[in-house]
Amino acid sequence: EAQVTQNPRYLITVTGKKLTVTCSQNMNHEYMSWYRQDPGLGLRQIYYSMNVEVTDKGDVPEGYKVSRKEKRNFPLILESPSPNQTSLYFCASTDVNTGELFFGEGSRLTVL
Amino acid sequence: AQSVTQPDIHITVSEGASLELRCNYSYGATPYLFWYVQSPGQGLQLLLKYFSGDTLVQGIKGFEAEFKRSQSSFNLRKPSVHWSDAAEYFCAVGAETAAGNKLTFGGGTRVLVKP
Repeated sequence: EAQVTQNPRYLITVTGKKLTVTCSQNMNHEYMSWYRQDPGLGLRQIYYSMNVEVTDKGDVPEGYKVSRKEKRNFPLILESPSPNQTSLYFCASTDVNTGELFFGEGSRLTVL
Repeated sequence: AQSVTQPDIHITVSEGASLELRCNYSYGATPYLFWYVQSPGQGLQLLLKYFSGDTLVQGIKGFEAEFKRSQSSFNLRKPSVHWSDAAEYFCAVGAETAAGNKLTFGGGTRVLVKP
């Protein structure tokens, strides 16, 4: 079954404590991305990756890092989380032939 | 740059009634258009998409959408709503960029279904 898997699904942390949200896909897609969802704003792209070792900023990259060392994995790193990063995060994998995004189930992050 | 507007933040509809969700986009070329649904506590599921061809697109769960280039719209419709259709719906426009496919989402419309 085609899947995008994120972990953790829920996390409460404190300001400044580094955290990583993992993302893995089993569809052999080259293109992956991270979005955050906030009420009234829809989904906004944080970072994307076109292939292994190729990453670039999306629309709201401040405070985030990513890496792409393997095709299937695309972790999102918050080096020093702040309360304004409290949000619902989605990892997505794109079928470039159709443009369709496949989303993970989301990771709800609260930064106190 | 592309943009998407969903004018209705909330819509309440009675079970069995028809539903129409509005979506307006801004994009310089022929867009790729999508509707996604997000049920409470879930990820996003693709309902339907338009790339080219017939402007009336059929999707899953009995939904359809019509692409109207002259109005820059891609409204989603369902003739008879079921309680399970209560969810948040997102319209998105896709563009081929030098960085690959990029989707831009609207702010979403939350649908409440009354019994």
